[in-house]
Amino acid sequence: EELLVESGGGVVRPGGSLRLSCAASGFTFDDYAMNWVRQVPGKGLEWVSSINWSGGSTDYAHSVKGRFTISRDNAKNSLYLQMNSLRVEDTAIYYCARDNAAFATEFDIWGQGNLVIVSS
Amino acid sequence: DIQMAQSPSSLSASVGDTVTITCRASQTISSYLNWYQQKPGKAPKLLIYAASSLQSGVPSRFSGSGSGTDFTLTISSLQPEDFATYYCQQSYSSPLTFGGGTNVEIK
Repeated sequence: EELLVESGGGVVRPGGSLRLSCAASGFTFDDYAMNWVRQVPGKGLEWVSSINWSGGSTDYAHSVKGRFTISRDNAKNSLYLQMNSLRVEDTAIYYCARDNAAFATEFDIWGQGNLVIVSS
Repeated sequence: DIQMAQSPSSLSASVGDTVTITCRASQTISSYLNWYQQKPGKAPKLLIYAASSLQSGVPSRFSGSGSGTDFTLTISSLQPEDFATYYCQQSYSSPLTFGGGTNVEIK
């Protein structure tokens, strides 16, 4: 079974840092680009960041550029999101998602979600 | 950035109904349009990619159409498990953007 399992969420003060991890299993991890997508509870979806199969190309939403860093370790089948200078508005459920790339960018496998709360 | 406008934001329907959800992009996106279903407390699930291609394992009562700026998701013969929130997403250009969602409720 193709699975993504996130970890590392929690409560952090504004201005603080947190690192999310996403462990992949059941598929060849380095065949796929990967993404982070977030969702404020009860609200819509927001794409956060993407990384290509090798880690050599990354992209970010305007709202997190310069504060968040996406990375991957293909030897460990793992995806990461380093979040610095966190703001209250970064509070959300963070999902890692695989890019199926059947046509362009389609998120075909998702993790279970990991809640990040930024609060003083 | 490309804005995605979904309508309606919510609708009520009965089992067996045919439901249509629309998504309009703020500029042309060719067929770079995906649809997802999300149930409460769960991650989204890919239903349709490239505007009209059915994702593997998704029932054939789900269909997508459109190109350019206007797209539709149609659910034929609505089933109890189809009551959920549906999102469109453009993959034409970065930043990738989602519509605001359509909540399909039981009438």
